[in-house]
Amino acid sequence: AQSVTQLDSQVPVFEEAPVELRCNYSSSVSVYLFWYVQYPNQGLQLLLKYLSGSTLVKGINGFEAEFNKSQTSFHLRKPSVHISDTAEYFCAVSDFSSASKIIFGSGTRLSIRP
Amino acid sequence: DTGVSQDPRHKITKRGQNVTFRCDPISEHNRLYWYRQTLGQGPEFLTYFQNEAQLEKSRLLSDRFSAERPKGSFSTLEIQRTEQGDSAMYLCASRPSGGATDTQYFGPGTRLTVL
Repeated sequence: AQSVTQLDSQVPVFEEAPVELRCNYSSSVSVYLFWYVQYPNQGLQLLLKYLSGSTLVKGINGFEAEFNKSQTSFHLRKPSVHISDTAEYFCAVSDFSSASKIIFGSGTRLSIRP
Repeated sequence: DTGVSQDPRHKITKRGQNVTFRCDPISEHNRLYWYRQTLGQGPEFLTYFQNEAQLEKSRLLSDRFSAERPKGSFSTLEIQRTEQGDSAMYLCASRPSGGATDTQYFGPGTRLTVL
């Protein structure tokens, strides 16, 4: 079974400052890793995903994440945030099974202060 | 490509009533998933379909819940005898079948409030 831990439930940051949202996962098998974003009153949108290859993954809206197998982490970063980045961010894993269901973390609410 | 759509977007019901939600996946997406998201939590997997076949159900899906995808296109999720604990956002997602690397695309969700 897999699980995902998002260490921070809320992260306040000033506009144009850098941000890192932390994510650790647990799995006995190889997994795919994802970050999804949920804007208020909207569905989930994929930011980026790690499947294999380079451990640094670039996504939409200037976000990137680094896969660290030894630390079982997949932290999300952005060098300079904007007010429009205010949202809930979910780290998630999916195994290689035929179901490919996604296991989500509990989310991190990113709030941007002007 | 109109994306995944869900109807209704909001539903308020009284405890004990039955409710039904609909999900229309992206055209030609063989796989369809249902998730439930409660306040302050990430989505939790409920069930998924490959075409019209329901291939896996979570233990979260009690006997009061039933999902169908009769023609392999849209899907419905019915909750019978609703309870206050059923209040949540119900999310639908779809993806093509085949490679496990394919992305799931999520709909906007149906927010259920049970009074």
